[in-house]
Amino acid sequence: DAGVIQSPRHEVTEMGQEVTLRCKPISGHDYLFWYRQTMMRGLELLIYFNNNVPIDDSGMPEDRFSAKMPNASFSTLKIQPSEPRDSAVYFCASSQGQLGYTFGSGTRLTVV
Amino acid sequence: DQQVKQNSPSLSVQEGRISILNCDYTNSMFDYFLWYKKYPAEGPTFLISISSIKDKNEDGRFTVFLNKSAKHLSLHIVPSQPGDSAVYFCAASGGDSWGKFQFGAGTQVVVTP
Repeated sequence: DAGVIQSPRHEVTEMGQEVTLRCKPISGHDYLFWYRQTMMRGLELLIYFNNNVPIDDSGMPEDRFSAKMPNASFSTLKIQPSEPRDSAVYFCASSQGQLGYTFGSGTRLTVV
Repeated sequence: DQQVKQNSPSLSVQEGRISILNCDYTNSMFDYFLWYKKYPAEGPTFLISISSIKDKNEDGRFTVFLNKSAKHLSLHIVPSQPGDSAVYFCAASGGDSWGKFQFGAGTQVVVTP
């Protein structure tokens, strides 16, 4: 099993541009989570899906952030327009029930 | 609102000694707790878990203790090894936030020779 796969690993973009982060969860996992890690706030849950349906997006900071899960093997997190304060490492994680998450390696986003 | 708190941002310990990492939570509905370890440029990896029906869970060098009345858990690493140098996160879930883990800010552990 390749684990949770995220792409790209690094993204540098200019303020105002659209950014799309991608995630492929582990096959058979029914939960998918998007987290953001910053020095100040640690790991923050942005949104999570159960069986491709968004369950809780209360952690999404603003309307500039959106996430989709069109099928069980793919999810995207989009920021439009991006701002410098969005710079962080974004992690995707998947799980089967409450057995503990498996995290991807993260996408380091830098908005200049 | 930070419901899971790790108040020590860093911890330095000598190789062979015990590392004790602490975590406090505020939500009394939390009933399942995890510890994750994270190396630089990698995603967090699962370390050990405990549910509220137990007060201790042990896995090799790692032991997690849960004090429900104090809403406190701790991770003990004995003996500490250089490869344990990493950031450790505790996470909690339960009640109406089942399946949605809240993470602490992490504790950076440095194990010195």
